[in-house]
Amino acid sequence: AQTVTQSQPEMSVQEAETVTLSCTYDTSESNYYLFWYKQPPSRQMILVIRQEAYKQQNATENRFSVNFQKAAKSFSLKISDSQLGDTAMYFCAFIPYSGAGSYQLTFGKGTKLSVIP
Amino acid sequence: NAGVTQTPKFQVLKTGQSMTLQCAQDMNHEYMSWYRQDPGMGLRLIHYSVGAGITDQGEVPNGYNVSRSTTEDFPLRLLSAAPSQTSVYFCASSYSNMGNQPQHFGDGTRLSIL
Repeated sequence: AQTVTQSQPEMSVQEAETVTLSCTYDTSESNYYLFWYKQPPSRQMILVIRQEAYKQQNATENRFSVNFQKAAKSFSLKISDSQLGDTAMYFCAFIPYSGAGSYQLTFGKGTKLSVIP
Repeated sequence: NAGVTQTPKFQVLKTGQSMTLQCAQDMNHEYMSWYRQDPGMGLRLIHYSVGAGITDQGEVPNGYNVSRSTTEDFPLRLLSAAPSQTSVYFCASSYSNMGNQPQHFGDGTRLSIL
């Protein structure tokens, strides 16, 4: 079974600053996908960024980037130039590439990020 | 293109009552799933379906039933509601279960059991 751990229940950052959210995971799979989802107060689940484990290059999406360390099983999210609209819960999630577990996204417990004006 | 539509958005039930949470998608996705979100717990998979007529259990299936008679619809049934089922429920769909196919989430249903 896979587990995803987000060790920071809450974080805050000043507007325009950079913040990094941590995520570690445990799995015996060699091929898998990792995700960061954003959940604003509206409750929607919004995909922020995705990383494929077999790709060494870290994924980037505009102001969002990840630091993927496969050996350390670490997958952190960096938000640059933080904006007020980034205020949300952020969930790290994992899914194996294949096998019985590939039908289930495993989520961490989330990090509540507040962007301060 | 409405995406994933969940109804109702809010519901209050009494213990022992039954109800069905509706989920519909118009993207011709084969894979659909139900998650529940509890405070401090993240999202956990209840049931999923890989196509019409095929369903299976996820991590927390007890107290819930599902069926998939069409590609578009995937209702979640609570047969006898219990306070432990108070939660926010999300339906999701994608072309497949593979991670390279993004999952589309509905807006959620907040369910309170008294």
